[in-house]
Amino acid sequence: DGGITQSPKYLFRKEGQNVTLSCEQNLNHDAMYWYRQDPGQGLRLIYYSQIVNDFQKGDIAEGYSVSREKKESFPLTVTSAQKNPTAFYLCASTFGTAATGGLFFGEGSRLTVL
Amino acid sequence: GQQVMQIPQYQHVQEGEDFTTYCNSSTTLSNIQWYKQRPGGHPVFLIQLVKSGEVKKQKRLTFQFGEAKKNSSLHITATQTTDVGTYFCAGRKIGANAGKSTFGDGTTLTVKP
Repeated sequence: DGGITQSPKYLFRKEGQNVTLSCEQNLNHDAMYWYRQDPGQGLRLIYYSQIVNDFQKGDIAEGYSVSREKKESFPLTVTSAQKNPTAFYLCASTFGTAATGGLFFGEGSRLTVL
Repeated sequence: GQQVMQIPQYQHVQEGEDFTTYCNSSTTLSNIQWYKQRPGGHPVFLIQLVKSGEVKKQKRLTFQFGEAKKNSSLHITATQTTDVGTYFCAGRKIGANAGKSTFGDGTTLTVKP
């Protein structure tokens, strides 16, 4: 079945450590996104990519990095520079570079910094 | 920057009552989408509205896009316990950065059987 796969589902890390969250899609979607969700709040855009080898900062990019070497993959690295990284991270994709359709989300990764 | 405000933040209803959530943007939108997130789950795309004044229906759900393309609403008729969750709107700007969707903070609906 086509879909978006995020891993790991749960992740614990110590302060000062970098961590990379995986996002893979087999929907042949061009655009991919990373959002952060904090309890009781909406989704805030971290980074997005509309084509391979290109990506743009979202509203809260500081302390995060991404790469888009393949159409199917858009990993997110949470660096030690991110001051409050504990959150629910959601990857999404949509068809077309103009991003005119709805977003399809993965099941998310819950990161806890100890 | 673009802001999308959503009200109310919470809504508690008795099963069978109606429910409405409202979404307002500070700027004119290219389109608006609605999503539902069940407790502990991920957002699921419901619908997209593109045209000024557009109205779309999905069974008991009615979605409207304002004439000025700056506001939208979702109305659920005769709520059921399966409607429980958080409903988000997300707007896309016209022109530059059109690929970005800005989400409202959501309306969390609880339904008492």
